[in-house]
Amino acid sequence: RKEVEQDPGPFNVPEGATVAFNCTYSNSASQSFFWYRQDCRKEPKLLMSVYSSGNEDGRFTAQLNRASQYISLLIRDSKLSDSATYLCVVNLYTGNQFYFGTGTSLTVIP
Amino acid sequence: NAGVTQTPKFRILKIGQSMTLQCTQDMNHNYMYWYRQDPGMGLKLIYYSVGAGITDKGEVPNGYNVSRSTTEDFPLRLELAAPSQTSVYFCASGGFPNEQFFGPGTRLTVL
Repeated sequence: RKEVEQDPGPFNVPEGATVAFNCTYSNSASQSFFWYRQDCRKEPKLLMSVYSSGNEDGRFTAQLNRASQYISLLIRDSKLSDSATYLCVVNLYTGNQFYFGTGTSLTVIP
Repeated sequence: NAGVTQTPKFRILKIGQSMTLQCTQDMNHNYMYWYRQDPGMGLKLIYYSVGAGITDKGEVPNGYNVSRSTTEDFPLRLELAAPSQTSVYFCASGGFPNEQFFGPGTRLTVL
């Protein structure tokens, strides 16, 4: 079983739409959670960390459900510049390792 | 700060050749990582290091070696390149368990 699973998409949405991505993780000992953004042929960059209480950064909202081992990312008022692949990342303190999902592809259409 | 730098950006190798991918960070991070990313796949951890002189295997270490003689540098060595090693290689550094900062990647093709 994969450590982190994501719906690969692709998601094609019009500008201004709201879109949600989901991610599940297999190890209940996972301690830290992140969403990264990766543009085509570029390196991943941190979009936001995910905190237990949920957190928001402008148009982006991240939620964590430890009981269901589930992380989500909500993007409101989508912009053309949001087109990218979004990677869900978790880690275990014990292993010093980060586990990446395969990513969810988003295209925002004019 | 340059952040994380990787060289070369692109490389084509013949089967059986060897090469070293260079990675340097100037953020004084203890943790450094090497990942490979195949098309349509997530990043797979090859090796990581928690500090100078300490390295450990990740998920896919076969065919690779690393060393960490300084905090700044974490080179990845490919011995006897094989077509299965065709991939994009990313180096990253960070202060575990916080954000990782990635280099721009090395695109390697083995023919």
